[in-house]
Amino acid sequence: SQQGEEDPQALSIQEGENATMNCSYKTSINNLQWYRQNSGRGLVHLILIRSNEREKHSGRLRVTLDTSKKSSSLLITASRAADTASYFCATANQAGTALIFGKGTTLSVSS
Amino acid sequence: SQTIHQWPATLVQPVGSPLSLECTVEGTSNPNLYWYRQAAGRGLQLLFYSVGIGQISSEVPQNLSASRPQDRQFILSSKKLLLSDSGFYLCAWSVSLMDSLNEKLFFGSGTQLSVL
Repeated sequence: SQQGEEDPQALSIQEGENATMNCSYKTSINNLQWYRQNSGRGLVHLILIRSNEREKHSGRLRVTLDTSKKSSSLLITASRAADTASYFCATANQAGTALIFGKGTTLSVSS
Repeated sequence: SQTIHQWPATLVQPVGSPLSLECTVEGTSNPNLYWYRQAAGRGLQLLFYSVGIGQISSEVPQNLSASRPQDRQFILSSKKLLLSDSGFYLCAWSVSLMDSLNEKLFFGSGTQLSVL
């Protein structure tokens, strides 16, 4: 069953611009995670934000979490061509046994 | 450090043929192991997870099965492949279950399966 849904499905920007991706989820969470996937590769964990946190930073990444709206956003500042990838949000299933992923946002950064 | 190996990287199989994909984790003990499938341009679908040897939980009824014969080995199998089994298969591991505050997944590099 789908837990997270990313928006937009696709995003095209120029190098140096900021990229914002949004994620909505349905049930209560302990944390929400963001992953990155380069084409044809496995996913790589980017950042985890706990349910009692509202904002978290890691390098050029900024993640916000609004549990009242059941939504999160991932901001990539000063994007680079190397940021071109698909980005997924993920939360635990109700049993807490595995992560459920959204369909992802495909980001294209052109130089 | 921990590493996860998944093979083969690509596989082309005829309809009706068997399948065996293997995943091994090194550098950790008693990991939780997962198989996901990703259809072209779509999100990840959880197929199976395992919390220990011989313990397999199936999330989606389908033409596939999973086994965990050793602590750090996870195998995805099928007796007869269908066209709909085509996709990108990803193995992943975690230290503990996802209901903890800080748990995250570590993914293998994936297997692109084409059933023709």
